[in-house]
Amino acid sequence: SQELEQSPQSLIVQEGKNLTINCTSSKTLYGLYWYKQKYGEGLIFLMMLQKGGEEKSHEKITAKLDEKKQQSSLHITASQPSHAGIYLCGADRRYTGNQFYFGTGTSLTVIP
Amino acid sequence: NAGVMQNPRHLVRRRGQEARLRCSPMKGHSHVYWYRQLPEEGLKFMVYLQKENIIDESGMPKERFSAEFPKEGPSILRIQQVVRGDSAAYFCASSPRTGSNTGELFFGEGSRLTVL
Repeated sequence: SQELEQSPQSLIVQEGKNLTINCTSSKTLYGLYWYKQKYGEGLIFLMMLQKGGEEKSHEKITAKLDEKKQQSSLHITASQPSHAGIYLCGADRRYTGNQFYFGTGTSLTVIP
Repeated sequence: NAGVMQNPRHLVRRRGQEARLRCSPMKGHSHVYWYRQLPEEGLKFMVYLQKENIIDESGMPKERFSAEFPKEGPSILRIQQVVRGDSAAYFCASSPRTGSNTGELFFGEGSRLTVL
């Protein structure tokens, strides 16, 4: 089973609308990373969350890590076509199993 | 400061041939990760290497796949006797992590393997 589940799997929104992507872990998260992948390209780091309750923002993108540290949400305000791509959450297990692994991904399409 | 460099960006092989994918980490990074991304699927961990050591290869298929990160030169992901199911994008990432420090992974642009 997938240790990191993202929802929704895909999202189509009108430009200007707000949206939220969720990432749920079956285990406690000690480091949660958000990446964006444009179609056919590599991954771009967005932000990292480490503490329960932590919230970070970058331009119109805000990410939170919940108090119990098993879920994170990524919120985009006033979406633009440039936000389109695949959003991936990643969990850091390098302190235990030497792995850094990713969620299932959310494909975002923004219609102008 | 150059980013993670992967080559080739695109590789076409016939069934039964060998594929070699190379990854040069960012300067100063001694940790390399390989991931595979199949069409319409997420990023699957394959192997984690440090210089001259394989730390975790739990995501690597048991047969035909191997990886190395020599003291000098790039990391190599090698796929022998490729089959159509090996067609995918292979991504390399590096980090400077040492000891208990953590930090984000820096990704290359990927190598896209097509097996005919």
